[in-house]
Amino acid sequence: GESVGLHLPTLSVQEGDNSIINCAYSNSASDYFIWYKQESGKGPQFIIDIRSNMDKRQGQRVTVLLNKTVKHLSLQIAATQPGDSAVYFCAENEDSWGKLQFGAGTQVVVTP
Amino acid sequence: DTAVSQTPKYLVTQMGNDKSIKCEQNLGHDTMYWYKQDSKKFLKIMFSYNNKELIINETVPNRFSPKSPDKAHLNLHINSLELGDSAVYFCASSPSAALSTDTQYFGPGTRLTVL
Repeated sequence: GESVGLHLPTLSVQEGDNSIINCAYSNSASDYFIWYKQESGKGPQFIIDIRSNMDKRQGQRVTVLLNKTVKHLSLQIAATQPGDSAVYFCAENEDSWGKLQFGAGTQVVVTP
Repeated sequence: DTAVSQTPKYLVTQMGNDKSIKCEQNLGHDTMYWYKQDSKKFLKIMFSYNNKELIINETVPNRFSPKSPDKAHLNLHINSLELGDSAVYFCASSPSAALSTDTQYFGPGTRLTVL
């Protein structure tokens, strides 16, 4: 079947550096993509989203890039802080009823 | 104020028992969801209700039965619990499932451990 994302890798980042988290998707029909942040013991928290008619969207310290040609999504976090340590998930909205397909997640560890 | 709340936060029970998890949202959303997160952190949708009507039902054993008494509540009842049911269950809500770009807001999760 089709899948989103990679097996759970870990990204170790020094405080103050920029982080880039990558995600591959395979459902070319998906038209909406979301990044979620999940801190330990908590539920996923919405970070930023992007529609398929865009290739870049910026938020506060975060930027999402979408490359539909290679079916790739990335999340860039500027000036990574200790509070950014979490598991990050990409998700795609597969249909019109809100069915989200999640990727496997990336563990981000921020070191001082 | 908590937007999406779940009870209990932790649930430890024996195999074969029946248990329920409750979810409430105070956001005025029309749509609610149940997700299961396994030990490898993989999140998978189980069910979705829109205005108390079931709209998404993934391949979930029929031991799992969601119930939505009103659009602010979506409970999950699990019969004859099995070891493989051990996971974290998340409830979520969104304004309307009819808008595929509506953000889903997640609850804090219920960690179910079946012994």
